[in-house]
Amino acid sequence: DSGVTQTPKHLITATGQRVTLRCSPRSGDLSVYWYQQSLDQGLQFLIQYYNGEERAKGNILERFSAQQFPDLHSELNLSSLELGDSALYFCASSVHDSSYEQYFGPGTRLTVT
Amino acid sequence: AQKITQTQPGMFVQEKEAVTLDCTYDTSDPSYGLFWYKQPSSGEMIFLIYQGSYDQQNATEGRYSLNFQKARKSANLVISASQLGDSAMYFCAIEGRTGGFKTIFGAGTRLFVKA
Repeated sequence: DSGVTQTPKHLITATGQRVTLRCSPRSGDLSVYWYQQSLDQGLQFLIQYYNGEERAKGNILERFSAQQFPDLHSELNLSSLELGDSALYFCASSVHDSSYEQYFGPGTRLTVT
Repeated sequence: AQKITQTQPGMFVQEKEAVTLDCTYDTSDPSYGLFWYKQPSSGEMIFLIYQGSYDQQNATEGRYSLNFQKARKSANLVISASQLGDSAMYFCAIEGRTGGFKTIFGAGTRLFVKA
């Protein structure tokens, strides 16, 4: 158990819908990262927050957005869902503003039908 | 721009033997970090080892060591005394330090440990 929690574990929804994935970092960690893992794209970095502020942006679509709240939990919002958004979405956290010793959550498996 | 290349889609190793998983990278950042992660069939991602671009010595963590050759831009993972539980997918990743800490992952190498 890494100490990073993600909810829900599984999510099945239809195209065009909107979903919110939630992540609680390890106690004391200030950075939260979101990743997408799919068969065709592999593992991709989406976005990083550090202590509430956006720090780095990767291959995140405009239909996706994220935020980190004052209690440091983070949410990833995916809208206008397409079949290709089906993937495993990981959240990870680390103490510093770097992915050194980054701990991953168990992931949320999103299936878009 | 950064890039990670893992040229071995799959590898087999006999239990108790050592195995090297290859990773080459490309980056224009003068400062960067290199990582290896393990993903068992259960799906979780497990951090294994880290090497900073300015670190003089190769990183080691238990049975894992990182063979860092900066001039050749390679960061191979060496697993000594392989165990059946080492069977998993292994990802090499690079984190650049310019414009935020963005991490790029390789395609991964699936390791099979034979009894």
